[in-house]
Amino acid sequence: QSVLTQPPSASGTPGQRVTISCSGSSSNIGSITVNWYQHLPGTAPKLLIYGDNQRPSGVPDRFSGSKSGTSASLAISGLQSEDEADYYCAAWDASLNGVVFGGGTKLTVL
Amino acid sequence: QVQLVESGGDVVQPGRSLRLSCAASGFSFRTYGMHWVRQAPGKGLEWVSFIWYDGIHKYYADSVKGRFTISRDNSKNTLYLQMSSLRAEDTAVYYCVGDPPSSGYAFDIWGQGTMVTVSS
Repeated sequence: QSVLTQPPSASGTPGQRVTISCSGSSSNIGSITVNWYQHLPGTAPKLLIYGDNQRPSGVPDRFSGSKSGTSASLAISGLQSEDEADYYCAAWDASLNGVVFGGGTKLTVL
Repeated sequence: QVQLVESGGDVVQPGRSLRLSCAASGFSFRTYGMHWVRQAPGKGLEWVSFIWYDGIHKYYADSVKGRFTISRDNSKNTLYLQMSSLRAEDTAVYYCVGDPPSSGYAFDIWGQGTMVTVSS
């Protein structure tokens, strides 16, 4: 049972917009910034969004992040086949004194 | 070239110990917080441990507290994870991860991972 809650799966067709939710609490998302990672099988995870809604250089603007209260969301617009991957949210938890990850969402491009 | 290279992964019996190493290059290692993150087969990412840039403060997941010890040698640009009393549930790919200053724990540098298998 992960501290941050994500849907286990999401899907969309090429060109569509999909969103992935991440629900937490006042000790994590509600009090500190959220980061998102993309993980393709057999590779190292990659930072996708940091500081709730900032994109590292090189990440397409099709990816965007938002946060409200104790929940955060990752949106992917103009879905492409190469976006098929696992996506994780993460944040520091002040009660646990550690980083907590969501359980991950497997995105399928139909 | 920014790089983290883990080593030390192996197959070990339950109850034994193992030390992982992570060699950093291409960035200012001594200014970065460093973490270990693992992924068990078929499971999601799990944070394991964190050490401040200067090595003064260390944090551990409850699942490894008292059994694992994180350390670093800034003169060698190397991060370590000493694992003892290993259990089957510690079987995972272990990633060494870099956390830049004032980033809000945004992990922007990842190693390729090293596999630890705990089995009799």
